[in-house]
Amino acid sequence: DAKTTQPNSMESNEEEPVHLPCNHSTISGTDYIHWYRQLPSQGPEYVIHGLTSNVNNRMASLAIAEDRKSSTLILHRATLRDAAVYYCILREGSGGSNYKLTFGKGTLLTVNP
Amino acid sequence: DGGITQSPKYLFRKEGQNVTLSCEQNLNHDAMYWYRQDPGQGLRLIYYSQIVNDFQKGDIAEGYSVSREKKESFPLTVTSAQKNPTAFYLCASSDRGLWETQYFGPGTRLLVL
Repeated sequence: DAKTTQPNSMESNEEEPVHLPCNHSTISGTDYIHWYRQLPSQGPEYVIHGLTSNVNNRMASLAIAEDRKSSTLILHRATLRDAAVYYCILREGSGGSNYKLTFGKGTLLTVNP
Repeated sequence: DGGITQSPKYLFRKEGQNVTLSCEQNLNHDAMYWYRQDPGQGLRLIYYSQIVNDFQKGDIAEGYSVSREKKESFPLTVTSAQKNPTAFYLCASSDRGLWETQYFGPGTRLLVL
């Protein structure tokens, strides 16, 4: 299985940018990079996903390295509501029921006021 | 409001008892999923269903059963064969096919008495 590696925890200050790294050195050419986050005692929430190019949406930006072996989730201005566990996940497989999403332990982001 | 509902929020099970966790979605999604989360851990896939009347085992299906008789409903039964059922159970759904962006419910916390 293609795997991702994330730091166990990170800290940030409110209203500052946050860069959450993810390594996926065994990624294959058809694997999408997905990010989800999970607030305490809630279900995960989709954040963003991408394949090769950098992606932006209203929640965050995703920067993907040129060799695709790493990516970074960028929260442009952290708020206290961004404190959560962030999961970097590869959607690996060849399609249909052969796809797979594997959620690891993620990165616990603490945001200081 | 469209979304996924899970009930109950907390569920207590006695030894040797089967219990059923409810998952309902009004998003008109074809695919639905069940995950288990243990404290401080990521999510592990129990079962998934791509369409009505079809479902597949995930990574930890032993001791669990599901049904998919209606598009909007995907109940999970935790049987007495599951020896360590205490966990946080999460239901999710996705549109545009299996393993696309997943939308999660609020979860059910199962405790064994």
